Amino acid sequence: DIQMTQSPSSVSASVGDRVIITCRASQDISIWLGWYHQKPGKAPKLLVFAASGLQSGVPSRFSGSGSGTDFTLTISSLQPEDFGTYYCQQANSFPYTFGQGTKLEMK
Amino acid sequence: EVQLVESGGGLVQPGGSLRLSCAASGFIFSKYWMSWVRQAPGKGLEWVAGIKQEGSERHYVDSVKGRFTISRDNAKTMLFLQMNSLRVEDTAVYYCTREATSLSDSWGQGILVTVSS
Repeated sequence: DIQMTQSPSSVSASVGDRVIITCRASQDISIWLGWYHQKPGKAPKLLVFAASGLQSGVPSRFSGSGSGTDFTLTISSLQPEDFGTYYCQQANSFPYTFGQGTKLEMK
Repeated sequence: EVQLVESGGGLVQPGGSLRLSCAASGFIFSKYWMSWVRQAPGKGLEWVAGIKQEGSERHYVDSVKGRFTISRDNAKTMLFLQMNSLRVEDTAVYYCTREATSLSDSWGQGILVTVSS
């Protein structure tokens, strides 16, 4: 199975900050990667597909990049509603696998 | 509006069985891969199983192979997960998801399955 490793595991930031989360795959997954945001007690929400495609309705402060094994999610100017946990997921081969999550907390 | 509503969860003893259902509406169900994703209490997300549009192709995470079966009824726009030989480690919130570009672009609210004696 493909292992997905996110870093950092947690980060504290303030409104307006730029935040970068990275995700590394254990083997080449081309651009078959997505990013999700989850708030406590809620279902995850897809933010980015195909490594850099912004899902409909997602604010432009979110952006994704990368290919192969290394990927990043960037939030250009953090907003209060952006706090929560972020997950990457590979969809290159079954079983699809998620990273362990990055908890974004308010400083 | 896409809606996915799970049902069938609850408390079951180790070794027991449960069948989860997901009622889909607001989109052409038969045109999408569907999947189940779970989340153990306080833990991360785990993709569990996926099924192709007409049901001809199914995939599972290794930990549930031989115990869980994903199926669908396109006429009734329903997705199912038959879970047998349940283990304590299967305790989780189970989400029904619609897949687009192989990623879960729509999620249900989740249903809790607790395996405990």
